[in-house]
Amino acid sequence: QLQLQESGPGLATPSETLSLSCTVSGGSISSSSYYWGWIRQPPGKGLEWIGSIHYSGTTYYNPSLKSRIAIFVDTSKNRFSLRLSAVTAADTAFYYCARVAYIRSSWTGFDYWGQGTLVTVSP
Amino acid sequence: SYDLTQPPSVSVSPGQTASIPCSGDKLGDKYACWYQQKPGQSPVLVIYQDNKRPSGIPERFSGSNSGNTATLTISGTQAMDESDYYCQAWDSSTVVFGGGTKLTVL
Repeated sequence: QLQLQESGPGLATPSETLSLSCTVSGGSISSSSYYWGWIRQPPGKGLEWIGSIHYSGTTYYNPSLKSRIAIFVDTSKNRFSLRLSAVTAADTAFYYCARVAYIRSSWTGFDYWGQGTLVTVSP
Repeated sequence: SYDLTQPPSVSVSPGQTASIPCSGDKLGDKYACWYQQKPGQSPVLVIYQDNKRPSGIPERFSGSNSGNTATLTISGTQAMDESDYYCQAWDSSTVVFGGGTKLTVL
């Protein structure tokens, strides 16, 4: 059974760079059919896609966050990571990692999700 | 940027059919997905590519997508279906989520 687990600090200071990782177990991150994504959700609010990455390094980013984010993959550790720079209180959210299939030139949906990790941005 | 609009709330009586709409410009030309999220839990994919159900999702969940509106339909709604539901679409290779709909079963 595929499992995804987010890790990283639960607290960040305004203006700093937030780093989160997602470790994949029960399957390989290097499968050609899948992309790996980050989605966040401020407490009590809706979902916001941050970006997605393929093991080859191909990335897609949310245009509204593109200037502040970087997503990269480490196939040797079967994990992918997110860096979000210049954080503010507005970046306080649950951060989820998830898998999505891209098959026959069509996207499916995020079918496996991590449990999520709450990141609070506060002085 | 591409936007998806959902009603904040929908109510349904147990055993009846619930329909949750999601609207966006020419949404029918894109693939839509739907997620169920219960309090304190991660979202669960219930419909992908407009009308396909992942393994393990009950048959009472179905989807459609045409024109400017995608719809999640829950037939024979049960109390356990009371959740937040989010639509999601692909705009080229970027992901867009709707604002979410709280389904109340009463």
